[in-house]
Amino acid sequence: GAVVSQHPSRVICKSGTSVKIECRSLDFQATTMFWYRQFPKQSLMLMATSNEGSKATYEQGVEKDKFLINHASLTLSTLTVTSAHPEDSSFYICSARGGQNYGYTFGSGTRLTVV
Amino acid sequence: DAKTTQPPSMDCAEGRAANLPCNHSTISGNEYVYWYRQIHSQGPQYIIHGLKNNETNEMASLIITEDRKSSTLILPHATLRDTAVYYCIVRVESGGSNYKLTFGKGTLLTVNP
Repeated sequence: GAVVSQHPSRVICKSGTSVKIECRSLDFQATTMFWYRQFPKQSLMLMATSNEGSKATYEQGVEKDKFLINHASLTLSTLTVTSAHPEDSSFYICSARGGQNYGYTFGSGTRLTVV
Repeated sequence: DAKTTQPPSMDCAEGRAANLPCNHSTISGNEYVYWYRQIHSQGPQYIIHGLKNNETNEMASLIITEDRKSSTLILPHATLRDTAVYYCIVRVESGGSNYKLTFGKGTLLTVNP
């Protein structure tokens, strides 16, 4: 139990376009979801926390207008990278809280490459 | 603002126990310690978590010192597939009954044949 599906696993987009990444909790309701970003050889950096039906809370230094987060249901959160640029190329990972008692299940990540 | 300190790397022989230390000297009384691991280009995998008592599950054991300022993750019989970056995380409250996991740099555990 406690499976989080993240889609797509890889995406390549042109500079200036927008990309949407989906994060779904498959067998539990996720009251809270988290979005992380990871650059090569670095640790995961928390970008934002979202609760179903409310606005996301962004970490300091993360542009909320660039990284749009929608958590419209208890099983789905989306991250949209708007007007992507090469420096946005990174590994994006979502996490969902809920389900089993340990509470934090991670998706398999999305490798975004902006060309 | 990770609240943990881990050695950057460790080696372990296959079949032996791997003991990964973590310092969290500023931990508060109600903050849990979580351990995750990440194999290259994958999402983190949950291992174990605890508050003040030692914990054991099918993957590992977690030993937390009495003062809670440090802990040790024990993989009893390491295999090559246990090679990964291991993260020790103190779960902190982020407001509004939300809790978040903030990752530090972790320990790269290399299990050698």
